[in-house]
Amino acid sequence: RKEVEQDPGPFNVPEGATVAFNCTYSNSASQSFFWYRQDCRKEPKLLMSVYSSGNEDGRFTAQLNRASQYISLLIRDSKLSDSATYLCVVNNGPSGGSYIPTFGRGTSLIVHP
Amino acid sequence: NAGVTQTPKFRVLKTGQSMTLLCAQDMNHEYMYWYRQDPGMGLRLIHYSVGEGTTAKGEVPDGYNVSRLKKQNFLLGLESAAPSQTSVYFCASRRGLNTEAFFGQGTRLTVV
Repeated sequence: RKEVEQDPGPFNVPEGATVAFNCTYSNSASQSFFWYRQDCRKEPKLLMSVYSSGNEDGRFTAQLNRASQYISLLIRDSKLSDSATYLCVVNNGPSGGSYIPTFGRGTSLIVHP
Repeated sequence: NAGVTQTPKFRVLKTGQSMTLLCAQDMNHEYMYWYRQDPGMGLRLIHYSVGEGTTAKGEVPDGYNVSRLKKQNFLLGLESAAPSQTSVYFCASRRGLNTEAFFGQGTRLTVV
């Protein structure tokens, strides 16, 4: 089993739709979690951190489920400009014995008119 | 505040040539990483560094060397370029093991 897994998609949704992505991780000792956005041929950019209590930033909501070992990203009222690849990142931290952030391979979102 | 800067942004090499990619960060980050990204493959870690003077191998280190003589700079070298090294290379840095990573804009390398 891969350490971090994402459905590659693509998720093809109309403008205004609500869409959700999940990302599962295998290391129960993982300590911090993030969602990144990557536009075609550009560098990944931080979208939001994922906190245990869940967090919201405008149309975006991120949640963590430690019991089931997954994080989620919900996008409401999708815009054409939301079209991108969304990467989840898991950090195992010092107690997890890893110096390397673990990236999922990304989920592609296409928002159409 | 420039963040993470990669040079060059584009390069075309002939097979067998060598080159060095420079990554510079001005955030005083301890940890730095070199990734390559190929279509459909996601990010793959080449080498990384946990501090000045340290380097370690990642998932795909063969054909690459790195150095971190100064905390702010992480160099990636290709000793003898091969067409299989045609890729987009990203550098990233982060302050701590549980903090977010910041990426450079990438270097698009073509080996012919």
